[in-house]
Amino acid sequence: KQEVTQIPAALSVPEGENLVLNCSFTDSAIYNLQWFRQDPGKGLTSLLLIQSSQREQTSGRLNASLDKSSGRSTLYIAASQPGDSATYLCAVDPSGNDYKLSFGAGTTVTVRA
Amino acid sequence: DAGVIQSPRHEVTEMGQEVTLRCKPISGHDYLFWYRQTMMRGLELLIYFNNNVPIDDSGMPEDRFSAKMPNASFSTLKIQPSEPRDSAVYFCASSDSGNTIYFGEGSWLTVV
Repeated sequence: KQEVTQIPAALSVPEGENLVLNCSFTDSAIYNLQWFRQDPGKGLTSLLLIQSSQREQTSGRLNASLDKSSGRSTLYIAASQPGDSATYLCAVDPSGNDYKLSFGAGTTVTVRA
Repeated sequence: DAGVIQSPRHEVTEMGQEVTLRCKPISGHDYLFWYRQTMMRGLELLIYFNNNVPIDDSGMPEDRFSAKMPNASFSTLKIQPSEPRDSAVYFCASSDSGNTIYFGEGSWLTVV
């Protein structure tokens, strides 16, 4: 069974600092990996999706890398802003056929002004 | 598009009562998912549909839970009878056969 782990569970950084969020998964046979953002009381918003054949994806200040062989993905957020405060979750799609995503528990980020 | 729409946003009910949660997926999306989120267990997939047909309901916790999708624009998740341990946030999500999944804002259920 795929296990997805996100460490740390929470972190607090001053505004302007770069954020590094980690995600690890136990089974490297994945189809893709997604990073989501969840604001308090809200649903999840997909930020980036990395196919298993890709090494990274970028969108604005966000960059996500994927190392399938070691079972790791990292989400980088450059020059953090208070508006980046949220919980970030990663999710792994094992096959691309049944869409049964396995989610990590998330990292709750606080960016201090 | 208005996104995935869920109702009610908040529900407080007494143990033993029937609860019905509703979802309108994004128009044109052919996959619909029901997830449950709790502090203890995180996000769990309960059931998903493809073209209105239930594909995998292995995540449905008990027979008290049932889900239907009578047409492409509507789905329900029903709990009967409800129990306090069912208290959670229930998310509906949809996808268009691609990989990006869009979530609704959730239905916050409290069973007392």
